[in-house]
Amino acid sequence: KQEVTQIPAALSVPEGENLVLNCSFTDSAIYNLQWFRQDPGKGLTSLLLIQSSQREQTSGRLNASLDKSSGRSTLYIAASQPGDSATYLCAVRPSWGKLQFGAGTQVVVTP
Amino acid sequence: EADIYQTPRYLVIGTGKKITLECSQTMGHDKMYWYQQDPGMELHLIHYSYGVNSTEKGDLSSESTVSRIRTEHFPLTLESARPSHTSQYLCASSAPGQTNSPLHFGNGTRLTVT
Repeated sequence: KQEVTQIPAALSVPEGENLVLNCSFTDSAIYNLQWFRQDPGKGLTSLLLIQSSQREQTSGRLNASLDKSSGRSTLYIAASQPGDSATYLCAVRPSWGKLQFGAGTQVVVTP
Repeated sequence: EADIYQTPRYLVIGTGKKITLECSQTMGHDKMYWYQQDPGMELHLIHYSYGVNSTEKGDLSSESTVSRIRTEHFPLTLESARPSHTSQYLCASSAPGQTNSPLHFGNGTRLTVT
């Protein structure tokens, strides 16, 4: 079974610093990997989806990379703002089976 | 903007009550899902549907049931709620026929069973 791990579980940075969030998965046979943002008490908002054939995806200040062979994805958020405070989850869609989620990294950006 | 709607947002009920959590989407998505999420934990798939009259159980065993009579509607029912059912329930959908289509989530229902 595909296992998805996100380390660290929590992260606090001062405003303006770049954020680096990590996601690792055990089986490299995947269709895609998706990054989500979750605000307290809310559902998940899709940020970026990287297909298995891609190495990275960018949207504004967000950049996500994918290295299938090593089972890793990294989400970079440039010039962090207090509004970036949230929990960030990654989810892997394996070639077989259903989407598997990590437990998330809780981010706090301090003014 | 939300194209997938869940009601109620919060629900506190007593043990033994029957409840239905509503989920509707306006995007014409064939695939719909129910996830359960406890604080600080990963999401667990409890039910999914690939179209009308199609429902399947997910990875996490659940005492709930679902129905899919209309494309846009995917309600989840607990016949007799227990304190162990206290959790957040998230509904999601994705576009038909595309393995690489992103998942869209509702805002969730936070259920507390006393």
